[in-house]
Amino acid sequence: QVQLQESGPGLVKPSQTLSLTCTVSGGSISSGSYYWSWIRQPAGRGLEWIGRIYTSGSTNYNPSLKSRVTISVDTSKNQFSLKLSSVTAADTAVYYCAGVYCTSISCRRWFEPWGQGTLVTVSS
Amino acid sequence: QSALTQPASVSGSPGQSITISCTGTSSDVGGYNYVSWYQHHPGKAPKLMIYDVSNRPSGVSNRFSGSKSGNTASLTISGLQAEDEADYSCSSYTSSSTLFVFGTGTKVTVL
Repeated sequence: QVQLQESGPGLVKPSQTLSLTCTVSGGSISSGSYYWSWIRQPAGRGLEWIGRIYTSGSTNYNPSLKSRVTISVDTSKNQFSLKLSSVTAADTAVYYCAGVYCTSISCRRWFEPWGQGTLVTVSS
Repeated sequence: QSALTQPASVSGSPGQSITISCTGTSSDVGGYNYVSWYQHHPGKAPKLMIYDVSNRPSGVSNRFSGSKSGNTASLTISGLQAEDEADYSCSSYTSSSTLFVFGTGTKVTVL
């Protein structure tokens, strides 16, 4: 059973870059059976999809964040990462990593598994 | 791409049934049968409860059911139990470049 765990600094200063890593266990990140996403939830608000990466390296990003987001994968460490640049207080949120299962034909349209989330606060 | 609209809170007594709505547009909820529902407990990983509008993953109680009419999807919890107290979010695939849109979230309280 694939499990995910987010890690990274809980506090980031305004204008700096937020960096998080998601470690995949219980399976190989490069198996091609999943694509990997980042999702966030600001306090008191709904979830927001940030973007996704296939193990081929192909990415898609939420247009509202695209200019500041980079998602990458490190198959040697079985991890994928999120970088969000020029952060402001509006980027304070719980950040989740999640997987979407794919077959050779298509990908599912729901997220499973999820990590438990990590709170990132943007403050000086 | 606007978030899907959910009621902020829904409550019910043990044993009762409650329904959470999730309203979108013809570009998301109404246009695809790709609505999913997630249960969140603080500090825990969100749990998939329903996928593709009305399908339950293995291990999810049959007290949870999903449906859709037009641009509105619904999650019904029957025989409400104390353990059902949590936040619930819907999600839909969307034709916009956002790809996925989520609901505003609903807090379920068991009285």
